[in-house]
Amino acid sequence: ETGVTQSPTHLIKTRGQQVTLRCSSQSGHNTVSWYQQALGQGPQFIFQYYREEENGRGNFPPRFSGLQFPNYSSELNVNALELDDSALYLCASSFVGQGNSPLHFGNGTRLTVT
Amino acid sequence: KQEVTQIPAALSVPEGENLVLNCSFTDSAIYNLQWFRQDPGKGLTSLLLIQSSQREQTSGRLNASLDKSSGRSTLYIAASQPGDSATYLCAALPNSGYSTLTFGKGTMLLVSP
Repeated sequence: ETGVTQSPTHLIKTRGQQVTLRCSSQSGHNTVSWYQQALGQGPQFIFQYYREEENGRGNFPPRFSGLQFPNYSSELNVNALELDDSALYLCASSFVGQGNSPLHFGNGTRLTVT
Repeated sequence: KQEVTQIPAALSVPEGENLVLNCSFTDSAIYNLQWFRQDPGKGLTSLLLIQSSQREQTSGRLNASLDKSSGRSTLYIAASQPGDSATYLCAALPNSGYSTLTFGKGTMLLVSP
């Protein structure tokens, strides 16, 4: 069973640039969620995708957007990067259906905005 | 809006001690509560998940309890070891059915030899 994998592991960008983070779901999972974790804080929910559509969103501006593909992999896109976007971005997958599975997290992408 | 609080923020204990980490949540309409471990700069590893209908879950030296009526969960670690040093996060999943976990800020645990 393959776990949740994220790429890249680390990334440095300049303020105003755009970034794309990628996530491969665990085999058999149909839902992907993205979380932002600032230093010293708990993860904050960004949004969730189910059947290739966003079906839940946290308190993040529209410049945070995403995609889920037919193979249930996902991308997180952030436009017009700001210094406060520096954080660990975590992807989690789960199965939502008859009996929901726990969330399984990847190791995250560390984004630094300078 | 669900809020999750963890106490203490940091804890330092000598090896071998039993310890308790506390988690409280404001909205009792939860589907489950999950405890995670996070090593520095790493992702989250699920330790224990307690369904809303359950009172506790055990895995090895770890025991997690849930009291929905009081909005509290505890994680008990028996005979702590230096390898237990990490940040422990609790997170509540709402009844809405979406996988939108609300996390606490975590308890940073240091177990010294």
